[in-house]
Amino acid sequence: QTVVTQEPSLTVSPGGTVTLTCASSTGAVTSDYSPSWFQQKPGQAPRTLIYSVSNKQFWTPARFSGSLLGGKAALTLSGVQPEDEADYYCLLYYGGTRVFGGGTKLTVL
Amino acid sequence: EVQLVESGGDLVQPGGSLRLSCAASGFTVSTNYMSWVRQAPGKGLEWVSVIYPGGSTYYADSVRGRFTISRDNSKNTLNLQMNKLRVEDTALYYCAREEWLGYWYFDLWGRGTLVTVFS
Repeated sequence: QTVVTQEPSLTVSPGGTVTLTCASSTGAVTSDYSPSWFQQKPGQAPRTLIYSVSNKQFWTPARFSGSLLGGKAALTLSGVQPEDEADYYCLLYYGGTRVFGGGTKLTVL
Repeated sequence: EVQLVESGGDLVQPGGSLRLSCAASGFTVSTNYMSWVRQAPGKGLEWVSVIYPGGSTYYADSVRGRFTISRDNSKNTLNLQMNKLRVEDTALYYCAREEWLGYWYFDLWGRGTLVTVFS
């Protein structure tokens, strides 16, 4: 069974920078896995922030960026805002199946 | 307006069955990649199933053999037939549209429908 691993929780100060990562139990994450990142706030449906490693939706703020880092997919927030406090999920593609990471609860404090 | 609206969520006992639907507006379900994703109360997202425009289907290990994804082209809906339900199937079920442009991405989500399996 394939497992995708994220940091369970991270805390960042307003204006700071934080990197969330997404690792695959099968080995290094590459662009072939089409890594995506989703943001979910309480009571809301998820929304896509980043797809195919680093591509942004039109609503994705410029402070969000995606990359591959040390064999993992990464989501970096630079100049964090209070409204960035949310749960973040990565998703990887394995042929026909998809697997979400367990999610990272980001606290802005 | 392009949107997805799920329905069919209910209370059901373990071992029971339920059929979820997802009505699409503004686009055609049959020509798109459509997925179901669920979220148990207080837990993370779990991908459940996908159907491709050509009809290929894929399932998460946790539901394979019990759930069936399908389309109703006349109603422009995506369906999820859930059989042999378990307590651990309790979740908010979202439908979502995916795009394949040489890479994958989810570009549209519904608001979800709640399934509760209780004994």
